[in-house]
Amino acid sequence: AQSVAQPEDQVNVAEGNPLTVKCTYSVSGNPYLFWYVQYPNRGLQFLLKYITGDNLVKGSYGFEAEFNKSQTSFHLKKPSALVSDSALYFCAVSSLTGGGNKLTFGTGTQLKVEL
Amino acid sequence: DAGITQSPRHKVTETGTPVTLRCHQTENHRYMYWYRQDPGHGLRLIHYSYGVKDTDKGEVSDGYSVSRSKTEDFLLTLESATSSQTSVYFCAMTSGSMAYNEQFFGPGTRLTVL
Repeated sequence: AQSVAQPEDQVNVAEGNPLTVKCTYSVSGNPYLFWYVQYPNRGLQFLLKYITGDNLVKGSYGFEAEFNKSQTSFHLKKPSALVSDSALYFCAVSSLTGGGNKLTFGTGTQLKVEL
Repeated sequence: DAGITQSPRHKVTETGTPVTLRCHQTENHRYMYWYRQDPGHGLRLIHYSYGVKDTDKGEVSDGYSVSRSKTEDFLLTLESATSSQTSVYFCAMTSGSMAYNEQFFGPGTRLTVL
C-alpha cells in the first residue's frame, strides 16, 4: 500500500522569507509525486509533479519541490513567500504498483504567510 | 476548475434520505474520481471510473454507489445518508491511465446530513 505523511498541520512564515512544506511517502515501486494547493471554498489546483529525472521540479507560482529518494521525501519550497500563498497544501503519491493513476493524499498542511 | 463542474454546490439533507451528487466534465476524459475531504484525513478516494459503465471501489466506498452512463457525467449516490457522510465531496478527472497523469478537480459539494 502507498501512503503519504505531512508531519506539520500548519506552517507559519513571514512574507519574503523562504518556505518549506514537508512531505514523505511510502510506495513499493517508483513513485510519482504531486503537490496540490487548495484555496478556501475551492477545489484542488495542481502545482507540480515529479515523474523521473531531475530531482528539483519547478511548478506554478514560483513553487518548486525537491525529490529525495534516500529520504523518501518530496518537500515543497518557495524562495520568497507571499501573503497570497496562504492556503492548504496537499502532497500526493501514485505508482504503478499502487493501482495506476489512483492518488493517495496526505492530510494537508495549512500555510499561513504573515506580513 | 475549468472543464469540470459539480452540482449541487451545497446540500443539506436528513438522515436516511437518498442523495445524488453530479459531476460533469467537458474534456472527454476517460478517468473520473469521487473523493471526500475531512479534517485530519485529507482526501480519500470513494469510487472511480475508467470508462462508461466501468467503475471500481476506492478506499472508503461503503455506503456509496456510482454510475457513469456517459463519458461526461459521473454520479455519486448515497443510498441512505448518515451523519458520518457529512463532508465536502470532490470530483476529479484525468486524461490518461498512467500513474503520472495529474488529476483536475471540480469545485466541490458541501453536504450536511442532519
